[in-house]
Amino acid sequence: DAGITQSPRHKVTETGTPVTLRCHQTENHRYMYWYRQDPGHGLRLIHYSYGVKDTDKGEVSDGYSVSRSKTEDFLLTLESATSSQTSVYFCAISPTGTQYNEQFFGPGTRLTVL
Amino acid sequence: AQSVTQLGSHVSVSEGALVLLRCNYSSSVPPYLFWYVQYPNQGLQLLLKYTSAATLVKGINGFEAEFKKSETSFHLTKPSAHMSDAAEYFCAVSDGGNEKLTFGTGTRLTIIP
Repeated sequence: DAGITQSPRHKVTETGTPVTLRCHQTENHRYMYWYRQDPGHGLRLIHYSYGVKDTDKGEVSDGYSVSRSKTEDFLLTLESATSSQTSVYFCAISPTGTQYNEQFFGPGTRLTVL
Repeated sequence: AQSVTQLGSHVSVSEGALVLLRCNYSSSVPPYLFWYVQYPNQGLQLLLKYTSAATLVKGINGFEAEFKKSETSFHLTKPSAHMSDAAEYFCAVSDGGNEKLTFGTGTRLTIIP
């Protein structure tokens, strides 16, 4: 299994509070991604990173920000959580040098915003 | 732009029967295609991938998929379903150039004993 961990694995928070989710990899892969998974929508890309301090938006980036200060860590922040951000969040990584964009996924974080 | 359509959000088959999960793609360039499986409360696991080397691709757990350019399809099959195949399956496409995958909405497979 690819060395990807996500923390926390479960979190319940209240509307309006800030939340930070962490993705940590031990594979030294260049690319890292944050997705959210919702019933009927599959996986939707929030943000991704193609290197330290290099990030870009995905299709559902509103209300989220990211940071990557080290190769191994990719943080997703909800500045002011809303109930619509209740979801399961997955981190993924992609090996450097592959043209296929094959991605490997972490175990997920289940976030509930009350 | 690339996109994926998975026909049937829920599929039920009897144990021992053929499994067929459908995936059609849209891509402006030759695509790379993937099937992922997600077991309950777990992350996604790569089942198989098409990278233009061969049109019939074999994956883990007895699954295979055939790339058909004329039909823009990449359907997933398994000759004989097992109870352990119950999971959600996602098809994904990449054009190789934009560093991203686009996922379908998933098909939940139920196996009937």
